[in-house]
Formats: sequence, structure tokens, C-alpha cells
Amino acid sequence: GAGVSQTPSNKVTEKGKYVELRCDPISGHTALYWYRQSLGQGPEFLIYFQGTGAADDSGLPNDRFFAVRPEGSVSTLKIQRTERGDSAVYLCASSLRKQGRTGELFFGEGSRLTVL
Amino acid sequence: AQKITQTQPGMFVQEKEAVTLDCTYDTSDQSYGLFWYKQPSSGEMIFLIYQGSYDEQNATEGRYSLNFQKARKSANLVISASQLGDSAMYFCAMRVGYGGATNKLIFGTGTLLAVQP
Repeated sequence: GAGVSQTPSNKVTEKGKYVELRCDPISGHTALYWYRQSLGQGPEFLIYFQGTGAADDSGLPNDRFFAVRPEGSVSTLKIQRTERGDSAVYLCASSLRKQGRTGELFFGEGSRLTVL
Repeated sequence: AQKITQTQPGMFVQEKEAVTLDCTYDTSDQSYGLFWYKQPSSGEMIFLIYQGSYDEQNATEGRYSLNFQKARKSANLVISASQLGDSAMYFCAMRVGYGGATNKLIFGTGTLLAVQP
């Protein structure tokens, strides 16, 4: 498809397990972002990739969270030793670095993570 | 600190009426960008409108307009002629790291708009 694709759309796991969430950005978009949206809140920035490198990972809450983008396209957000507080919708967005004046982000529909 | 504040958790509007969703922001940067996104129940964030801090005119996109008052640090969204399909969560956001840096967005807590027939 033409939009940002995220898989899985829903993931239920048990506390302590390892989880991977995948994001396939719009073709040609060099910038990729991960956000986390808890219930009743706005999206919260986690990490930003420009190409293959993480240009800003200041939003990752702790060292259990890690993300990669090895070929500059698909990205995987990895969460180790999941905790109940990690339950949220994880949104991925992409943009052209120079998207006109706006730097508009295009979002996927998110991956809903539930940690039991 | 950079922050977006949306003080209206929920709003009702009659179909075909206009509605204003409030947004105030806080930043010490001179150059910044302000966005409004719509999030329907499907979860996808849909870009609506953008206002740059140096833009002298208020942004408009179809039925959406942004009432930008720089001195008051407000960037309210006005939706004219509301439609049932406008029922959704609306988020105001500010871009930080302008000019080639992170370009990340800081979001408010959102306003849930319900359009009544």
C-alpha cells in the first residue's frame, strides 16, 4: 500500500516477555519516527531515524526499549522484559526530510500492545 | 519547557455549525511550527493544517482554519460547517528542533469532538 504499514495491529503478551513491533514507512521517506500513545493521552515521542541511524533517541523511556532501521527503510521497535506499564498504542510515522515547509508526518494505524 | 495545552477534553457541535478547538503552546524558540491532527477511531493520525511561526496569515485548508495569535501563544483550530465524519479526537502539536534537527512533534492531550445530527 501507499501508506505507513505497522504490524502487528494488536499484540497481547505476558509480563516479562520480549516483543517486536514492525514499521514499513512510505517508500522514499528518509525520516522515521516512533511514538507511544497511552490511553487518553497524546502521542509521546520515542525515537527518530534519519536513514539508518538513530538521530534522536531521547524519548526512549529506559534501556528495555530499542529500535533499529538497518537498511534505512523498515524499522523494528524492540521491547525487552515487558511490563504492564508498557501497554499502549505504538505509532510509527515517516516523512521526507524536506517535506515542503511543513515537515508533515504520515502516521500508520499503530500497534496496540497489551501486557498482561 | 516546550508544551502544548488543550483544555477541552470534549466538545459537542451540531451538524453544519462551526466549532473552535483551543490550543495554547509554550516555547522559547523563535522558529517553530504548529500542527493539527485528527485521529478517528481507526487510530491513524491524519494531518489537517500547519502554521509556521513566521507566517503572517492564518493557515486555511478547506473547512479548517487556524486562528494563530502569536502574542497569546494560541493556535486554535476552527472547523466550519461541521459534518458527522468530523467526529474524532483532535490533537494540536508543535514541531521542535526546527531547521534540520530532529523535527519531532510534541502533542497535546487532545479534544474529543462529537458532531450531533
